[in-house]
Amino acid sequence: DQQVKQNSPSLSVQEGRISILNCDYTNSMFDYFLWYKKYPAEGPTFLISISSIKDKNEDGRFTVFLNKSAKHLSLHIVPSQPGDSAVYFCAASYQTSYDKVIFGPGTSLSVIP
Amino acid sequence: DTGVSQDPRHKITKRGQNVTFRCDPISEHNRLYWYRQTLGQGPEFLTYFQNEAQLEKSRLLSDRFSAERPKGSFSTLEIQRTEQGDSAMYLCASGRGLANEKLFFGSGTQLSVL
Repeated sequence: DQQVKQNSPSLSVQEGRISILNCDYTNSMFDYFLWYKKYPAEGPTFLISISSIKDKNEDGRFTVFLNKSAKHLSLHIVPSQPGDSAVYFCAASYQTSYDKVIFGPGTSLSVIP
Repeated sequence: DTGVSQDPRHKITKRGQNVTFRCDPISEHNRLYWYRQTLGQGPEFLTYFQNEAQLEKSRLLSDRFSAERPKGSFSTLEIQRTEQGDSAMYLCASGRGLANEKLFFGSGTQLSVL
């Protein structure tokens, strides 16, 4: 039973355009969400996060939106750059289990020059 | 901050053999996590340590798996009597144990069981 879903295994975007990566979750207890980026042969690295008390968090070119009623979040990258090509994992945790972060299956983003 | 290091990067073994992986976390981090990732999936939680104490183990962690962090610094993950289904990337991560903190991951050990 996958609690964090990323239904698009892959996404291709032209350089300079917006990339939108989507994530859905099923566990209403989740109250903190993170995005990690992973390049081949490297471990995941933290990108951006959002608490359930917010609906938007922005960091430079990266913005995460949270819609709690729909149990949906999205990561926007504007403008997309070739160096953004990587696998993006959506992850979630909840207050009584900060120790354990649940990851989605990932979306592979290709930014085409 | 030298990052999280894992050794070896790759391990090829025959079914039935035992293997051991090592993780060196960021030195000031007291939390250490082991995750497993298979192709097309995200990292799956296996176990974690607060200093030298192993506080939680996933149901994914069968009796053939054992993890230790003897002095609260580096950790080892041993798999006994490996099976082909154990083939995966084994990731180690560390953190300070704060609420809502980001984890720092190593590059992983890729295990192939033939």
